[in-house]
Amino acid sequence: GAGVSQSPSNKVTEKGKDVELRCDPISGHTALYWYRQSLGQGLEFLIYFQGNSAPDKSGLPSDRFSAERTGGSVSTLTIQRTQQEDSAVYLCASSLGAGAYEQYFGPGTRLTVT
Amino acid sequence: AQSVTQLDSQVPVFEEAPVELRCNYSSSVSVYLFWYVQYPNQGLQLLLKYLSGSTLVKGINGFEAEFNKSQTSFHLRKPSVHISDTAEYFCAVSVPSVVDSSYKLIFGSGTRLLVRP
Repeated sequence: GAGVSQSPSNKVTEKGKDVELRCDPISGHTALYWYRQSLGQGLEFLIYFQGNSAPDKSGLPSDRFSAERTGGSVSTLTIQRTQQEDSAVYLCASSLGAGAYEQYFGPGTRLTVT
Repeated sequence: AQSVTQLDSQVPVFEEAPVELRCNYSSSVSVYLFWYVQYPNQGLQLLLKYLSGSTLVKGINGFEAEFNKSQTSFHLRKPSVHISDTAEYFCAVSVPSVVDSSYKLIFGSGTRLLVRP
């Protein structure tokens, strides 16, 4: 079946602009995760969804970051007023549930803020 | 707090030689451990996982890892590597959330395996 998909694959934006990153999880996966991969910081957890609710937002770096999930499926990560330090690869993952299940990752969105 | 340490940032090895990528973790609770591989410009792919049971875990592409509770390690091994194994390898521990019954992954900093002909 289809894996996790993310769009766009690459995004270049000017500092101060807003961006939206999209994630389509594997069908039937109730849990969805966003991670950020950047030089010097490695892979960082950002936020997790169980269904449409986000019980754990502890990894969001600032209030410029927000995310939503609709219909228990597609999720959007929004970064407002982008800064150069937001440049990174944003990875989405989904899993069957929120327990200790393996997470399946998408290819990522490479965000470059100029 | 839980953490994962991958001491080797890069491991160069010749083709057909054996390799071991080291991973140590710290956790005050039961752990679930994973190894992921990331090929250039791709997402992460699960190599293998340890949830419970046998401490020797076999994964895809001929990789295996051994969970050692006393040494808090989960080293990844392959007896004979190929050029195509050149990639970034991440060790991760699944830790329980303080918010609900969910789990999230804490990753090590990664080890770049460079296989030379």
